[in-house]
Amino acid sequence: EDKVVQSPLSLVVHEGDTVTLNCSYEVTNFRSLLWYKQEKKAPTFLFMLTSSGIEKKSGRLSSILDKKELFSILNITATQTGDSAVYLCAVEGWDGGSQGNLIFGKGTKLSVKP
Amino acid sequence: DAGITQSPRHKVTETGTPVTLRCHQTENHRYMYWYRQDPGHGLRLIHYSYGVKDTDKGEVSDGYSVSRSKTEDFLLTLESATSSQTSVYFCAISPRGSPLHFGNGTRLTVT
Repeated sequence: EDKVVQSPLSLVVHEGDTVTLNCSYEVTNFRSLLWYKQEKKAPTFLFMLTSSGIEKKSGRLSSILDKKELFSILNITATQTGDSAVYLCAVEGWDGGSQGNLIFGKGTKLSVKP
Repeated sequence: DAGITQSPRHKVTETGTPVTLRCHQTENHRYMYWYRQDPGHGLRLIHYSYGVKDTDKGEVSDGYSVSRSKTEDFLLTLESATSSQTSVYFCAISPRGSPLHFGNGTRLTVT
């Protein structure tokens, strides 16, 4: 059965700390792994990873994929209170149909204290 | 914003009544998706569309139907709402596979 497991489920840090969020997966015919940030409303897209070992970076956020070990990490450096959110990991597999099958993890709730 | 509008934003309805949620996009993206989000389950795909009149089922499609008669609109219908369909519903769009942009959600309560 395809699945995506995120850890930890929740995390409390102080401003300035560096955090690492984990996402491990099992999926049929892996195509891509995506990270989203969800504050009060809609998830917002952060990264899409398809190749192992290539880091994607956007400001203080970065992510890398390990297709051999079937996991990804999302790093946030110098955290700010605005980073407080639920971070979602999703993995796209393909079952031979017309569309990839995107499976979401349950998310990691990050709280950044001032 | 990515040009997605969901309506209504909130709805309370009674068990057994039909309900239609609307997703409207201005991006002319090919792919549109309906997800539901529940505590402890994360986001789960209900149905998706890969073009006008082209739709397919997702993981939790039972009790739901969809229609896409125009590129910009994707409708989700609950033919006879049940309490288990109380949830937050998100529409998403993408120019290719994998939803990249989500709407702000519709909070549906079935009493």
